[in-house]
Amino acid sequence: NAGVTQTPKFQVLKTGQSMTLQCAQDMNHEYMSWYRQDPGMGLRLIHYSVGAGITDQGEVPNGYNVSRSTTEDFPLRLLSAAPSQTSVYFCASSYSGGQGGNTIYFGEGSWLTVV
Amino acid sequence: AQKITQTQPGMFVQEKEAVTLDCTYDTSDQSYGLFWYKQPSSGEMIFLIYQGSYDEQNATEGRYSLNFQKARKSANLVISASQLGDSAMYFCAMREPPNAGGTSYGKLTFGQGTILTVHP
Repeated sequence: NAGVTQTPKFQVLKTGQSMTLQCAQDMNHEYMSWYRQDPGMGLRLIHYSVGAGITDQGEVPNGYNVSRSTTEDFPLRLLSAAPSQTSVYFCASSYSGGQGGNTIYFGEGSWLTVV
Repeated sequence: AQKITQTQPGMFVQEKEAVTLDCTYDTSDQSYGLFWYKQPSSGEMIFLIYQGSYDEQNATEGRYSLNFQKARKSANLVISASQLGDSAMYFCAMREPPNAGGTSYGKLTFGQGTILTVHP
């Protein structure tokens, strides 16, 4: 049982490049989400999904796209990277249901630098 | 909208002593969940403790306890017998309430965090 797996762990991009951060979970969780963490701040929600084919925006969605074609995978795409997107990115997943939101699993984080 | 406030940017504690990390929240919902996470220098998010809004007793997990005062909208984390390995960033977070169908998801709002340093 691998939990939530994020790749890559570290990435350096040039301004204007695009890339995809991968997130996969093997726990059959309905809910998956992406957060970003900037220095001195808590995590902020970028996008989330409540099931395959269903996604929605969080607090800071601009510059990012997501899709959810399978229950297991929830990739985050940076369309045209900007220095303001330099951050640490976390993927998280959980069950739904009455107690499902009480246990939330985080990936180990992806450190992204845009130069 | 939900809001989490952690007013202590940094805290210091002597090894083996207890420390309280403050967290206040703002919500108009009746059903919500409160979490504390630890983030060591390696960066991963480690779940510490959970408190549901309808839980009558304060949550405890080993050396961690949550001092839940619903009327004051506070959910302070108490770490007893601090250890050097407790030095880390600590985040308080609130889960979004269940939807109209009663389904709850793990959509979280985080505070800004408190850096805890444990001195030997």
